[in-house]
Amino acid sequence: ELKVEQNPLFLSMQEGKNYTIYCNYSTTSDRLYWYRQDPGKSLESLFVLLSNGAVKQEGRLMASLDTKARLSTLHITAAVHDLSATYFCAVRGITSGTYKYIFGTGTRLKVLA
Amino acid sequence: GAGVSQSPSNKVTEKGKDVELRCDPISGHTALYWYRQSLGQGLEFLIYFQGNSAPDKSGLPSDRFSAERTGGSVSTLTIQRTQQEDSAVYLCASSLTSGTAGEQFFGPGTRLTVL
Repeated sequence: ELKVEQNPLFLSMQEGKNYTIYCNYSTTSDRLYWYRQDPGKSLESLFVLLSNGAVKQEGRLMASLDTKARLSTLHITAAVHDLSATYFCAVRGITSGTYKYIFGTGTRLKVLA
Repeated sequence: GAGVSQSPSNKVTEKGKDVELRCDPISGHTALYWYRQSLGQGLEFLIYFQGNSAPDKSGLPSDRFSAERTGGSVSTLTIQRTQQEDSAVYLCASSLTSGTAGEQFFGPGTRLTVL
């Protein structure tokens, strides 16, 4: 069974600091995704990681994927208040020929001014 | 182009009533997914459509929940005899399928409150 774990679940950090969110998954997956969700809003796609060693960056966020370790990281550089949101990772698995997306529990990030 | 749309945005109903939630995916997206998100929680997979067929219904929590998709486009999630524990935000997502990145695009959700 494909399971996804994120940590930490909650993260409070000062502006200007760096931090990393971790996403571990239990079985082989061919895709990994990061989403952002603002309170009361839907999910916004941030990154799609397709292969081992993939690294993508957008502004202060950088995501990477290690398929051998079944680990993805979302690194935050010099955090700003606008990054406060909940971040989800998700993996795509194939079960009986159909695709299934399993989401992590989310990391609620609060950046303090 | 237009994104995924859902209606209604909010629905308040009384326990025991039936509700229908609608999802209009991005044009050309053959895959459609329904999820449920309770307050402060992650996403719970409900059902997946590929075209009009539903190869994976494993996430439907009970037989009170059903979904259909017509014309490979609009999908309706129906909850019969609603219970208070059904209160949540119901999210719909669509994606292209094999041979692509499989990125899901989410609608704004329907917030269901069962009194």
